[in-house]
Amino acid sequence: DIQMTQSPSSLSASVGDRVTITCRASQGINNYLAWYQQKPGKVPKVLIYDASTLQSGVPSRFSGSGSGTDFTLTISGLQPEDVATYYCQKYNSVPWTFGQGTKVEIK
Amino acid sequence: EVQLVESGGGLVQPGGSLRLSCAASGFTFSNYWMTWVRQAPGKGLEWVANIKQDGSEKYYVDSVKGRFTISRDNAKNSLYLQMNSLRAEDTAVYYCARVECSTSCYLDYWGQGTLVTVSS
Repeated sequence: DIQMTQSPSSLSASVGDRVTITCRASQGINNYLAWYQQKPGKVPKVLIYDASTLQSGVPSRFSGSGSGTDFTLTISGLQPEDVATYYCQKYNSVPWTFGQGTKVEIK
Repeated sequence: EVQLVESGGGLVQPGGSLRLSCAASGFTFSNYWMTWVRQAPGKGLEWVANIKQDGSEKYYVDSVKGRFTISRDNAKNSLYLQMNSLRAEDTAVYYCARVECSTSCYLDYWGQGTLVTVSS
């Protein structure tokens, strides 16, 4: 099975900072990758699919890039409401593995 | 408005069984793949199972194969997860989610989750 590895596992940044989260697949998955945001005590919400397509209604400060094995989620200008855990998920084939998550906090 | 409402969680002893349900509304249920995802307390998300629109294809994570069965009743707009031979490591919040699978596949709507606790 393909493994999904996120880094870092947690980060602390200031409001307005540019934040980058990385997700690496152990084998190529083309661009079949989604990013989810889970705020504390809330249900996950999709931010990006197909590695770089922004879900409707998601603020434009979120962006995704990558293809093959290496992917990034970027928050351009961190806001207090972005405090959450972020997960990548592959869906090129089953199992639809999630990364282990990256917890983002405000410094 | 799309709504997914899970039910059926609770406390069960190791080796026991539980059946989770997910009631869907606000969309044409029979047009969508559906999925179950779980989250152990304080841990990350784990995909559990998928089912095709007509129930003809089902997929599972290795750790639940042979113990869990995903099913659906399109006439009742309902998704199910039959869980047998439960183990402590199955303790988690179980979410049902709709799979948006047009040009790609991602989970666009999630229920609030139902907690399953496996303990003696």
